[in-house]
Amino acid sequence: NAGVTQTPKFQVLKTGQSMTLQCAQDMNHNSMYWYRQDPGMGLRLIYYSASEGTTDKGEVPNGYNVSRLNKREFSLRLESAAPSQTSVYFCASMERFRETQYFGPGTRLLVL
Amino acid sequence: QQPVQSPQAVILREGEDAVINCSSSKALYSVHWYRQKHGEAPVFLMILLKGGEQKGHDKISASFNEKKQQSSLYLTASQLSYSGTYFCGTLPGGAQKLVFGQGTRLTINP
Repeated sequence: NAGVTQTPKFQVLKTGQSMTLQCAQDMNHNSMYWYRQDPGMGLRLIYYSASEGTTDKGEVPNGYNVSRLNKREFSLRLESAAPSQTSVYFCASMERFRETQYFGPGTRLLVL
Repeated sequence: QQPVQSPQAVILREGEDAVINCSSSKALYSVHWYRQKHGEAPVFLMILLKGGEQKGHDKISASFNEKKQQSSLYLTASQLSYSGTYFCGTLPGGAQKLVFGQGTRLTINP
C-alpha cells in the first residue's frame, strides 16, 4: 500500500500560471481533503470531498478549484497562481467519519 | 471555528513532562491529535470521542472534557523523538471536515 501519494513534490510557478496538484489514495477511503500550510501556521482546509461525486469548500477556497475524479483521486487546480498561494499543500484521506486521517507527503509550491 | 491551542511553544529537557491544551467555542463530537516533524507530513496520534475515556499511546495520553469543550495532550517523561509540532483537530458541528488548531511546537533538548 502506497497510502496517499501527491505529485509533484516541488513546483515553481510564475504569477498568473496555472497548474494542477494531483492526489491519489489506495486505501479505498471515502473522504479526501486538501490543506495548505504556511510557515509557522497550522493546516488550513481548502476543499474537501466527503464522497465520490461531492466537493465542498473549506476555510480558504478562493483561488482554487477541485475535482474528485473517482474514489481514488482528488485534484487541486490553481487557475491563475498568485504569490499568496506559495505554501506547502497536503492531501489527506479518511475512511469514515471520526476516523484517522492519513496525509500525503506534501507539495511545496513557490509562486514568483 | 478553528480550535485554539496553548501554549504556542514549549521547550523541555529530556525526561520532563508537558501538557498541550486544545479548546473550541463550538460543541465537540471528537478531538484528533496529530504530530508533525519538521519537513514531514502530519501523523495521527489518537482520537478522543464524545463519551469516551482517556486514551493513551506509549507515554502520550489525552483527555476530552466535553462540557468545557477542551482536550489536553499529556507527554510524560519526554523523549527526543517527541519533538515536533502537535496539532489538535476538531469536527465542528459534526461536519466531516477536520479543522486544525494553529499547532504547538515542542522542542526536547538532551
